[in-house]
Amino acid sequence: EVQLVESGGGLVKPGGSLRLSCGVSGFRVSDNYMSWVRRAPGKGLEWLSVVDPGASTYYADSVWGRFSISREKSENTLYLQMNSLTSEDTAVFYCVREKGGMDVWGQGTTVTVSS
Amino acid sequence: QSVLTQPPLVSGAPGQRVIISCTGSRSNIGAGYDVHWYQQLPGAAPRLLISRNSHRPPGVPDRFSGSKSGTSASLAISGLQAEDEADYYCQSYDTSRTGSRVFGGGTKVTVL
Repeated sequence: EVQLVESGGGLVKPGGSLRLSCGVSGFRVSDNYMSWVRRAPGKGLEWLSVVDPGASTYYADSVWGRFSISREKSENTLYLQMNSLTSEDTAVFYCVREKGGMDVWGQGTTVTVSS
Repeated sequence: QSVLTQPPLVSGAPGQRVIISCTGSRSNIGAGYDVHWYQQLPGAAPRLLISRNSHRPPGVPDRFSGSKSGTSASLAISGLQAEDEADYYCQSYDTSRTGSRVFGGGTKVTVL
């Protein structure tokens, strides 16, 4: 079964760091375009970052230099390292496979940035 | 402010047809990039509703249809049902930054 399961969300203080994980089953993370997308309270979906099958990475302006996407082939897992977090980063974060659009979504993990 | 512009709210009576527009520019939709549409029900993760401008993934009712022309795209919902009440998003790609994906601001569909 094709499935994505995010973990690692929680409460973090402003300026802090957090690493999100996305466990992948049913396909190889390294063979696909994999993105992170978030939805902040009261706002719409925002694309954050993508890693392509060649391991090239791309970022939205809002997170460039603060967030880092990576994958671990042996664990078939996608990661998002988030640094210098602010209250503006409070959101539900989704791991997504891209295949003719974002065709598989995880259930999301919630990140709250607050003192 | 989103790169792709959608109306914030669209309403219709049960059975009606509603259309959600998604307006971009020459750096995204007008550059020939595909447009995808997503539905997000309350409390759920988004799901792919329309792929590559007009293709319905398996399991998506044929009440949903998509089209694209020039710098815009649209999603039509025919025979509106109460279960269609959700947020809808268009998504494409943009040449302003390599690898960039862009979403519309989202449209809340309410069934009167």
